Amino acid sequence: AQKVTQAQTEISVVEKEDVTLDCVYETRDTTYYLFWYKQPPSGELVFLIRRNSFDEQNEISGRYSWNFQKSTSSFNFTITASQVVDSAVYFCALSELGNDMRFGAGTRLTVKP
Amino acid sequence: DAMVIQNPRYQVTQFGKPVTLSCSQTLNHNVMYWYQQKSSQAPKLLFHYYDKDFNNEADTPDNFQSRRPNTSFCFLDIRSPGLGDAAMYLCATSSRLAGTYEQYFGPGTRLTVT
Repeated sequence: AQKVTQAQTEISVVEKEDVTLDCVYETRDTTYYLFWYKQPPSGELVFLIRRNSFDEQNEISGRYSWNFQKSTSSFNFTITASQVVDSAVYFCALSELGNDMRFGAGTRLTVKP
Repeated sequence: DAMVIQNPRYQVTQFGKPVTLSCSQTLNHNVMYWYQQKSSQAPKLLFHYYDKDFNNEADTPDNFQSRRPNTSFCFLDIRSPGLGDAAMYLCATSSRLAGTYEQYFGPGTRLTVT
């Protein structure tokens, strides 16, 4: 069975601080996909990134970066120089090939000015 | 822009009065999903359509039904809403044909049951 754990329920930082959101997953499949979604107060889930199990290359997109490590079953998300607009709930999710996506419990990030 | 649209954004219904939520997409994706999300919780998958094939989650109550008349539209019917059904309902789409599996979500419909 697939499982996603986001141990951090809430994180609060001050603007311009860097922050890392943790995600640990469990799966028996060798082929799977990992995702991060952002859910701002408006409620819409916004897709941020997809990573497949065969690609451990880390990715950077502007202030966002992702660190995928199969050895520790982790897919962590770092926001550099955080901004107030980054305040949202962030969900990590896992999809085993052919199966539906399962979400972690989410981490609520508050960035204070 | 291609997108997932949900109507209405806010829906108020009475206890026991049937209600239908709608979702449409311009992405031409072959899979459509319905999720229920309660406050401070992760989205919970209710069911999905893979093309015309309906796939129900084992723990989805019988009170929840869905219809997909064509590729673009999908409906969520709640036959007899209870107070516990008050939640945000999210529609999503994905293109498994493309082999990418990420889902694109609509803005959601917030359902209130009085």
